[in-house]
Amino acid sequence: QVQLVESGGGVVQSGGSLRLSCAASGFSFSSYGIHWVRQAPGKGLEWVSFIRYDGSDKYYAGSVKGRFTVSRDNSKNTVYLQMNSLRPEDAAVYYCSKDRSAWELRGSNSFDIWGQGTMVTVSS
Amino acid sequence: DIQMTQSPSSLSASVGDRVTITCRASQSVSNFLHWYQQKPGKAPKLLIYAASSLQSGVPSRFSASGSGTDFTLTISSLQPEDFATYHCQQTYIIPYGFGQGTKLEIK
Repeated sequence: QVQLVESGGGVVQSGGSLRLSCAASGFSFSSYGIHWVRQAPGKGLEWVSFIRYDGSDKYYAGSVKGRFTVSRDNSKNTVYLQMNSLRPEDAAVYYCSKDRSAWELRGSNSFDIWGQGTMVTVSS
Repeated sequence: DIQMTQSPSSLSASVGDRVTITCRASQSVSNFLHWYQQKPGKAPKLLIYAASSLQSGVPSRFSASGSGTDFTLTISSLQPEDFATYHCQQTYIIPYGFGQGTKLEIK
């Protein structure tokens, strides 16, 4: 079935780095853009990043720009989120999600499949 | 950035009730407005895309309308499994913001 599975979360000190992975299965991965969305404990959802289906374009929220980098390996059906210079306010559950439509240039067509999330804790 | 504001932030209702949640954008998002349902400890689930289109597999008691800046999500007859938090989201302009969420609780 169509599935996204995140991994790589954990506890990291403020200023540290972490790389999250999002492994996809059950659909034509190389045709779909992938988003990262996070949710701090007890808070709402925050869009973090988007990578186009072919990796040719990437977008970031202002709160993570310059610190986070999204990439993908279509041969491995996997998207990565490299998070550097982590801050306590980056602590959250991080979800990857699939754009509903194929070939979207900016991922603007809603997010129809979500992973279960991976928790990132940043200690100060 | 476009600000998304949902009201109410929380709502108590009974099984069988009809409930409406509203979402307002700080500027027009055309119909690039989507609704998600989230249960505790779970990932969000897409309910409605493009302001009024029902996602496959979602019960027909869910409906939505609106365009521009004002949107509504309606549940025609609440079922026990509908008690959850509902989020609206715009994908008109990056960054793709969400509303703060509306928590729907059992009365």
